[in-house]
Amino acid sequence: SAVISQKPSRDICQRGTSLTIQCQVDSQVTMMFWYRQQPGQSLTLIATANQGSEATYESGFVIDKFPISRPNLTFSTLTVSNMSPEDSSIYLCSVAEGTTNEKLFFGSGTQLSVL
Amino acid sequence: LAKTTQPISMDSYEGQEVNITCSHNNIATNDYITWYQQFPSQGPRFIIQGYKTKVTNEVASLFIPADRKSSTLSLPRVSLSDTAVYYCLVGDRAAGNKLTFGGGTRVLVKP
Repeated sequence: SAVISQKPSRDICQRGTSLTIQCQVDSQVTMMFWYRQQPGQSLTLIATANQGSEATYESGFVIDKFPISRPNLTFSTLTVSNMSPEDSSIYLCSVAEGTTNEKLFFGSGTQLSVL
Repeated sequence: LAKTTQPISMDSYEGQEVNITCSHNNIATNDYITWYQQFPSQGPRFIIQGYKTKVTNEVASLFIPADRKSSTLSLPRVSLSDTAVYYCLVGDRAAGNKLTFGGGTRVLVKP
């Protein structure tokens, strides 16, 4: 199974600043996903990031707020821009694996607190 | 994407079998059923996936009736370390596994 490393594991940021979260995978994967998990809540898909194409955002998430890069098959970044306290969440990177991409593997997440 | 309904929480004791039922009345023909486990401060972990009837692996069993409108995750002889949130997901793998997480079931295993 894929091993996913996320950096930073946690951060405390000031309102109005931006934070870039890095996701590194130990193998080449086609499909990568970024999720948000607010305290005590379930996971919400932010966007799908496939190499060689623009990220596809879910309803309620826009590129200006959450720009994503996917420069190759093992790496992606998610930036949380112009942060507000409402952005305080855990952000999770995920990849799809298996013969038909039937399994999702997750990183341990980035816990973000915005003051 | 088919929506899922699970109990919010369940309590059990060490050594017991835990069964979590998920309702997915609007499941589509191409949809698969997948279960994930999440511990605090960690990302979800794949447990099991199935399409119909019964699937078993080293961790759990998944029972799916013929109409596929529900599924039951069975955890045999749970231990304290099985305390976690369990998510049932339904989706078409061909759609790139863009799966929607429901509310999950918080399982507490007591000594």
